[in-house]
Amino acid sequence: AQRVTQPEKLLSVFKGAPVELKCNYSYSGSPELFWYVQYSRQRLQLLLRHISRESIKGFTADLNKGETSFHLKKPFAQEEDSAMYYCALSGGAGGTSYGKLTFGQGTILTVHP
Amino acid sequence: DTAVSQTPKYLVTQMGNDKSIKCEQNLGHDTMYWYKQDSKKFLKIMFSYNNKELIINETVPNRFSPKSPDKAHLNLHINSLELGDSAVYFCASSPRLAGASLDAEQFFGPGTRLTVL
Repeated sequence: AQRVTQPEKLLSVFKGAPVELKCNYSYSGSPELFWYVQYSRQRLQLLLRHISRESIKGFTADLNKGETSFHLKKPFAQEEDSAMYYCALSGGAGGTSYGKLTFGQGTILTVHP
Repeated sequence: DTAVSQTPKYLVTQMGNDKSIKCEQNLGHDTMYWYKQDSKKFLKIMFSYNNKELIINETVPNRFSPKSPDKAHLNLHINSLELGDSAVYFCASSPRLAGASLDAEQFFGPGTRLTVL
């Protein structure tokens, strides 16, 4: 079975400080990892995915298969980053969890001025 | 030009009633999903349809019955509503099954907040 754990329910930082949202996963095959974000009064939307290796809004996330982690990082947090962040895992083709997206519990990030 | 829409946005009803939530996507996607977000904001998949065919059914009580009349619509019907059904229900769609390709992003609707009294 696949599982995603976000150990921090709440995370508060000050503007300009570095931020790291932790995500650990459990999956026997080759997973695809995503970060989704939900800003206040907006719908859930994709922030980034591990295969793209891109930086979106200053955020990056590296898949560490040895530590089974996919932490989300940003060197300088902005107030507009305040939102709910979900880490998600999708099982690859041929796996028992093919076609299924499993979400972590979510982390509410608050960036103070 | 809304991509994924849900109706209603809010639904308040009594225990024992039957209700439906509708979802429509105009993105031309093959796959649609229903998720349940509980009071602790935990988001869990309920169903997935690919080309109108049920692909995923996650240990959901059979009081919940999804129906996909066509690829653009996935409705959720709930019979005999219970207090524990109170939650926010999200519909989503993706071009193809999550995991079917390396790029199967899911697009979410605004959610329907269901309150069972």
